[in-house]
Amino acid sequence: KQEVTQIPAALSVPEGENLVLNCSFTDSAIYNLQWFRQDPGKGLTSLLLIQSSQREQTSGRLNASLDKSSGRSTLYIAASQPGDSATYLCAVTHSNSGYALNFGKGTSLLVTP
Amino acid sequence: DAGVIQSPRHEVTEMGQEVTLRCKPISGHDYLFWYRQTMMRGLELLIYFNNNVPIDDSGMPEDRFSAKMPNASFSTLKIQPSEPRDSAVYFCASSYRGLKYEQYFGPGTRLTVT
Repeated sequence: KQEVTQIPAALSVPEGENLVLNCSFTDSAIYNLQWFRQDPGKGLTSLLLIQSSQREQTSGRLNASLDKSSGRSTLYIAASQPGDSATYLCAVTHSNSGYALNFGKGTSLLVTP
Repeated sequence: DAGVIQSPRHEVTEMGQEVTLRCKPISGHDYLFWYRQTMMRGLELLIYFNNNVPIDDSGMPEDRFSAKMPNASFSTLKIQPSEPRDSAVYFCASSYRGLKYEQYFGPGTRLTVT
């Protein structure tokens, strides 16, 4: 059974810092990996999708990397802003389970002014 | 497209009542998923459909839960009878092969059972 772990569970940083969120998974036979953002009381917003054959994806100040063989992904946020405060969720899919998402518990990020 | 649409956004009901949650996936998407989010367990898959056919319902917690997808543009998740431990946020999501199965989520339904 796939286990997805996110470290740290919570993180507080001052505005302007670069930061890294970590995600690990136990079964490396994934189809893809998706990073989401969730604001309190809101739904999930997809940030980045990385296919299993890819090493990284970038969108603006966000960069996600994938090392499938070691079962790890990182989400790098450059020049953090208070508006980045949210919970960040990592999830993986497998082709033999209908590409359903298997989620980690998330990292709660607070960026202070 | 308007994205994945869910209704109602909030539902408060008493224990023992029937609850029906509704979802309209993004047009053209052939996979539909129902997830549940709680503080204790995080986000968990309940059931998913492919081309309107239920494929895996192993995540449905009990026989009190049922889901249907009568056509490509509509799905329901029903709880009968509801219990306080069913209180959670229920999300619907859809995906499509042409978009590499990237999942798009609805805003969720916050269910409170008293």
